[in-house]
Amino acid sequence: DTEVTQTPKHLVMGMTNKKSLKCEQHMGHRAMYWYKQKAKKPPELMFVYSYEKLSINESVPSRFSPECPNSSLLNLHLHALQPEDSALYLCASSQELSPGTGAFNYGYTFGSGTRLTVV
Amino acid sequence: AQSVAQPEDQVNVAEGNPLTVKCTYSVSGNPYLFWYVQYPNRGLQFLLKYITGDNLVKGSYGFEAEFNKSQTSFHLKKPSALVSDSALYFCAPTDSWGKLQFGAGTQVVVTP
Repeated sequence: DTEVTQTPKHLVMGMTNKKSLKCEQHMGHRAMYWYKQKAKKPPELMFVYSYEKLSINESVPSRFSPECPNSSLLNLHLHALQPEDSALYLCASSQELSPGTGAFNYGYTFGSGTRLTVV
Repeated sequence: AQSVAQPEDQVNVAEGNPLTVKCTYSVSGNPYLFWYVQYPNRGLQFLLKYITGDNLVKGSYGFEAEFNKSQTSFHLKKPSALVSDSALYFCAPTDSWGKLQFGAGTQVVVTP
């Protein structure tokens, strides 16, 4: 299995809703990522998990809450989002050269994304 | 400051003609260099990477890229473009920590 699977593919939510995005990989990668991408723009890194521990939070608002229950799963919990949070949310995974070093140089595998619309 | 430049927002090419998408970077150390492609409403797909060794790297779908250390460039090329190559292309060197640093992206439009 060489894929990163994201569900759901599309999500429409109100500003008072709570929802979750899910990401799964079975490649044995120990680093997993959440990116946010606006149309025609490059992906912006949100969070990095390394060996199931949060290692990078790129100053993301607390209405986004990541969770890594195990080495294959990554969730992004959403609460009280704003319309400007509407975007494509991409999950990715990669091998980590050495535990805890943060050296993720082998390349990333991306999922197809969740298209989120906040109304 | 670390940066990645893709100087062209859009590249237009006729089918069958050569395609080049430019990328220059300013990243400390010896970065690894990647190209990703994104088709409409899809995630990013890996095309190729340069780690070390031969400066000419061959990747998926007939693409190749040439690493030029002195010019800090990593231009993506395809000898004969297809209409199906129309997509958004991202150059992405890694920073000293190994994180991908994405360029702004170049939209490729291949006309029949």
